[in-house]
Amino acid sequence: NAGVMQNPRHLVRRRGQEARLRCSPMKGHSHVYWYRQLPEEGLKFMVYLQKENIIDESGMPKERFSAEFPKEGPSILRIQQVVRGDSAAYFCASSGSRHETQYFGPGTRLLVL
Amino acid sequence: QKEVEQNSGPLSVPEGAIASLNCTYSDRGSQSFFWYRQYSGKSPELIMSIYSNGDKEDGRFTAQLNKASQYVSLLIRDSQPSDSATYLCAVNMNRDDKIIFGKGTRLHILP
Repeated sequence: NAGVMQNPRHLVRRRGQEARLRCSPMKGHSHVYWYRQLPEEGLKFMVYLQKENIIDESGMPKERFSAEFPKEGPSILRIQQVVRGDSAAYFCASSGSRHETQYFGPGTRLLVL
Repeated sequence: QKEVEQNSGPLSVPEGAIASLNCTYSDRGSQSFFWYRQYSGKSPELIMSIYSNGDKEDGRFTAQLNKASQYVSLLIRDSQPSDSATYLCAVNMNRDDKIIFGKGTRLHILP
């Protein structure tokens, strides 16, 4: 009865490096959502994916950020050339369909030095 | 008007009292509403979902929905110190078919 899994739980990167965040949805779920949360702020939607498709990326920064959800394996949020402002908690959520309840993973805390 | 609005708080409530958390939303056609609880440093966890006007009860929690007035609330009876957390309201917006989260209300239960 595994829930949504994310790894790593903590990630430290230096400016200019790449960060890869992974998310395995709950069993039976094929819809994945990525959110970013800055300290003392709310959840900010980034991207919504189904298997092999990006459905809505309206919350993604235009540069350096990309996401995928391949047919096999976890969803990946990739941040290239990280900057200090990318430091945040990144949460993944999954659902069984677009309108169903979203269940969250434990998050990845990214720290950019 | 923001899409989903919540008072950021902190809302301080004595232990044993009723905590009332409110949320308003802009899209009149919205159909699905959710309350999440988030402890500091943790991920959001679902407390309740509500889809129809009226009250929905689950243990010490009651969600109230009024679509005509475009608000949804969460009542916590017999508040406990362990209820101290940030409570996030989420609404499935009809116009762009997306769930939008409010910024959350910080609740502090005073022992």
